[in-house]
Order: sequence, then C-alpha cells, then structure tokens
Amino acid sequence: AQSVAQPEDQVNVAEGNPLTVKCTYSVSGNPYLFWYVQYPNRGLQFLLKYITGDNLVKGSYGFEAEFNKSQTSFHLKKPSALVSDSALYFCAVRGATGGFKTIFGAGTRLFVKA
Amino acid sequence: GAVVSQHPSRVICKSGTSVKIECRSLDFQATTMFWYRQFPKQSLMLMATSNEGSKATYEQGVEKDKFLINHASLTLSTLTVTSAHPEDSSFYICSARYRTGNTEAFFGQGTRLTVV
Repeated sequence: AQSVAQPEDQVNVAEGNPLTVKCTYSVSGNPYLFWYVQYPNRGLQFLLKYITGDNLVKGSYGFEAEFNKSQTSFHLKKPSALVSDSALYFCAVRGATGGFKTIFGAGTRLFVKA
Repeated sequence: GAVVSQHPSRVICKSGTSVKIECRSLDFQATTMFWYRQFPKQSLMLMATSNEGSKATYEQGVEKDKFLINHASLTLSTLTVTSAHPEDSSFYICSARYRTGNTEAFFGQGTRLTVV
C-alpha cells in the first residue's frame, strides 16, 4: 500500500530565509510525487511533480523539490520565503498501479513571519 | 492549465435532505475523477474513484448508499450526499485526470457543506 508522511505539522520561517517542508513516501514501483498548496477554504493548487528524470524539480512560485530515491523523500524547498507563502502544503504520491489513486500526506502548515 | 470547476462552493442544508455537488472538467476530458473529504485542519481523505460510464469504487469505510457518485460523461461527475446529517458537514473536493498520460490531478475549489 502506498503512503505519505509529512513529519512536521507546522514549519515557521522568517521572510527571506530558505524553507524546507519535508515529505517521505512509500509506494510499490516507481513513484509519482506531487506537491500541492491550499489556502483557507480553497481547493488545492498544484505546485510541482516528479514523474521521472532530474531529481531536482522546479515548480510554481519559486518552489522546487528534490527527489531522493534512497531516502524515499521528496522535500519541498524555496530559497527565500515570502509572507504570502504561508499556507497548508500537501505532499502526495501516486503509484503506477492500483487505479492511479493519489494519496495525500497529513499536510504541513507553513508560517512565514515578516 | 486544466480547469476543474466544482459547484456549489458553499451549501447549507437541513438534516434529512439530500445535496448534490457537481464536478466539471472545463477544458479536458477526464475518464477518472476522485472525490475527497477534508475535515478541519486535516488531510484529504479519498472517498471514491469515479470512472466514466461505470460504478464508482469506494474506499473502505465510505457508505456508498449515502454518498452517491455518478460519472455520466467525460466532463461531469456528481456526488450526492443523501439524508444528510450534521456529521456529514465537511469540505468536499473533487479532482480529475486527463484522459491519457501520467499527469497530475487537477482539483476543484471545493464545496463547504454545512448540515443544520
């Protein structure tokens, strides 16, 4: 069975500092990995994905994520955080089989302080 | 990017009534749509996978008679919450995938259901 773990409920960072939101996964076969962001009372917005290829994936709004197969991790990063980045971030995984269901992590709330 | 529209965005209904939520892919064909439920400050819980023209596949613990899903066309899936109770109050989100290819799912904006 596939699963996703986001070990941190909340991440606090000062504006201008780099941020990292952690994610580890478990899936049979090659993983399809995603990051989404959610603002209050809104649906999810896609940030980036890893399907294959380069381990460093660049996405929307200056975010990037690094796929590490040996550590089964897909951490979300940004070199310089903005106050407007404050939101709820979800890591998700989808296996290559099993109906292509996407399973989400518990979410990490990011607070960026001015 | 692909757009998924969910309607209504908010709905309040009385206990015992039924509520229908629509999920439409506006600019692509989606053979598969997914319905999620999100409780406050929690993650999205997959309720069911909906394939066009066939019965939905429900996740364990989800009552199929209570949460009726219909996927009548490649651009529309509906979730009907039947005989709603206050504990059904939640944020419901749908997502849809392209007909072909290994792409990300695109999400609707969600529906806030409040049962009073």
